[in-house]
Amino acid sequence: DAGITQSPRHKVTETGTPVTLRCHQTENHRYMYWYRQDPGHGLRLIHYSYGVKDTDKGEVSDGYSVSRSKTEDFLLTLESATSSQTSVYFCAIRGWDGGNEQFFGPGTRLTVL
Amino acid sequence: DAKTTQPNSMESNEEEPVHLPCNHSTISGTDYIHWYRQLPSQGPEYVIHGLTSNVNNRMASLAIAEDRKSSTLILHRATLRDAAVYYCILSREPGGADGLTFGKGTHLIIQP
Repeated sequence: DAGITQSPRHKVTETGTPVTLRCHQTENHRYMYWYRQDPGHGLRLIHYSYGVKDTDKGEVSDGYSVSRSKTEDFLLTLESATSSQTSVYFCAIRGWDGGNEQFFGPGTRLTVL
Repeated sequence: DAKTTQPNSMESNEEEPVHLPCNHSTISGTDYIHWYRQLPSQGPEYVIHGLTSNVNNRMASLAIAEDRKSSTLILHRATLRDAAVYYCILSREPGGADGLTFGKGTHLIIQP
């Protein structure tokens, strides 16, 4: 499973509250990713990181920020959650530099009321 | 990014081969072709990838057309555990270094 954990696994929150999701990996991989998946759709890239303090935006980055202060943790923050951010969030790592696979975490189901 | 087109769903019988098609007519010469699958309530799982030549691994085979405008994922002997959504994805970088673009994929149904 490439040593990826996500926390929390489930969260219910209210509109306007801040939310932080954590992705943790144990294998020192440089590349980490956050995706969201909505019903009936494939995954969409929110942000990704290619090293400590090195991040870039993905396709659907509005309303989200990320931080990576150490290799093993990649945090996704919703500064002020909205109902449109209700989704399943997946973290992924790229197996190794130049590798051809991404490995995905188990996902976090977030509901914004 | 170049787009891919896949059938919404396909059905097959257990223990028979399955051929999942993907059209990518606007593929560039350096785009990699990746296949991932997603089982119910799980994150996606890498299946196989290729650039120009056909590829085989323990899970599947990937047949790439000579003009690279289409590819086919082949499951040689489907089991019930292969029921999943299969995504065909193009990326400029190996492993989708700058992220992967998932479409809606093909929902594969396996009949016992």
